[in-house]
Amino acid sequence: AQTVTQSQPEMSVQEAETVTLSCTYDTSESNYYLFWYKQPPSRQMILVIRQEAYKQQNATENRFSVNFQKAAKSFSLKISDSQLGDTAMYFCALTTANTGNQFYFGTGTSLTVIP
Amino acid sequence: DTEVTQTPKHLVMGMTNKKSLKCEQHMGHRAMYWYKQKAKKPPELMFVYSYEKLSINESVPSRFSPECPNSSLLNLHLHALQPEDSALYLCASSQPFGDINEQFFGPGTRLTVL
Repeated sequence: AQTVTQSQPEMSVQEAETVTLSCTYDTSESNYYLFWYKQPPSRQMILVIRQEAYKQQNATENRFSVNFQKAAKSFSLKISDSQLGDTAMYFCALTTANTGNQFYFGTGTSLTVIP
Repeated sequence: DTEVTQTPKHLVMGMTNKKSLKCEQHMGHRAMYWYKQKAKKPPELMFVYSYEKLSINESVPSRFSPECPNSSLLNLHLHALQPEDSALYLCASSQPFGDINEQFFGPGTRLTVL
């Protein structure tokens, strides 16, 4: 079975500061992908960043980067230079080769960027 | 075109009504999904279509009936819903598992059942 855990239901950060959102997961599969999705209030869910398990290098997309610790099954998201538009729900998700395209989502972290 | 579109944006229906939600994508994706999402909660998977065939049905009540007429279109037919079915219904699409398998989400249909 696949599980994803986000232990921080709510977080806040001052504008321009850095914040890290935590995610841990569990799977017995060796071939899997991890994602962070962002869902702003009343807006569409969009992909922030993805990481293939076989890649050792941590993924980076502009101000967003991950700390992928495969042995610890940890996949945290770091947002640098936080902006007001980063205010959103953030969901960590896992999919594996043998689960029929199914995504396993964490419970989400509600991030508020304070001006 | 990297967009998933959903219509309508909002829907209010009574418990005896029949309505349909529509989802469309033109990215050539061969996997499409229906999710139900309550406020501040993660999406809950309802159905997965892979190559226009239903591959996953997460024990969804029969008052929800999915249909995939072609590779670009996904419908969700609603009948005799309950107030607890009120939620945001999200459609998503992706390639079947391979090198790139992120899911692209539509904006959702906000459904209210009276």
